Amino acid sequence: GQSLEQPSEVTAVEGAIVQINCTYQTSGFYGLSWYQQHDGGAPTFLSYNALDGLEETGRFSSFLSRSDSYGYLLLQELQMKDSASYFCARGTGGFKTIFGAGTRLFVKA
Amino acid sequence: ETGVTQSPTHLIKTRGQQVTLRCSSQSGHNTVSWYQQALGQGPQFIFQYYREEENGRGNFPPRFSGLQFPNYSSELNVNALELDDSALYLCASSSPGQGEAGELFFGEGSRLTVL
Repeated sequence: GQSLEQPSEVTAVEGAIVQINCTYQTSGFYGLSWYQQHDGGAPTFLSYNALDGLEETGRFSSFLSRSDSYGYLLLQELQMKDSASYFCARGTGGFKTIFGAGTRLFVKA
Repeated sequence: ETGVTQSPTHLIKTRGQQVTLRCSSQSGHNTVSWYQQALGQGPQFIFQYYREEENGRGNFPPRFSGLQFPNYSSELNVNALELDDSALYLCASSSPGQGEAGELFFGEGSRLTVL
C-alpha cells in the first residue's frame, strides 16, 4: 500500500509550537513533502524530505525517519494566519504524488 | 513568472453532462498533473501529462480524459457526469524530476458541482 495517515484536527494557541505527524506505508517510498491549503485556496508547497533528518525553513521545519516510516511538520511561533489544512504527501518514484487526508489546524488567540 | 491558472473557477452541471476544465502551467514547466479533491479530503491523483502524452494515471475511470497542448497547457474532460464527481479539480505543474522533489505548483482549482 501507499497510503499516509495524519491526524484530522489539531488546535493550538497563538505563539505556541505544534507538531503534525504523518505515518506512511513504505512500498515504493521516494520522499515526504508537506503542503498548506487555506480554505478556498490552492495547496502550496512547504517542504520536502528525501533523507532522514530535519529540514528547516523559517518558522516551519519538517522531519523524516525512513526507518520508522514517519515524518512530522513542526510549526513554531504560531500565527492566526497559520490556520489551514496541512497535507503530507509522498513521491512514488514515478509520475504521481500521493496525499494524505489532511490535518486541519486551528490557531486560537 | 506566471503561476498556474485554471478556468472556470466554478461551474454547475447536471448528471450525464460533460465538462472541460482548463489549465495553463507555470512558465517553464512542461509537466501537468490533475487532482480531484473532495470536501475535507486530500487531493487524489487523476493523471499526468508530459510532452503531450499521458504519463501515468490514477484510479479513475476512462470517462476522465485529458489533453496537453504544445504550449504545455492542459484540459481535463469528464464525460457522463455523476453526482460523486462534485469536487475541486486541481491542476499542478512541475518540471521533469522536480515532481519527485515534492514541489508541485497548484492552481486555485475549478469547483465542479453536479446536480
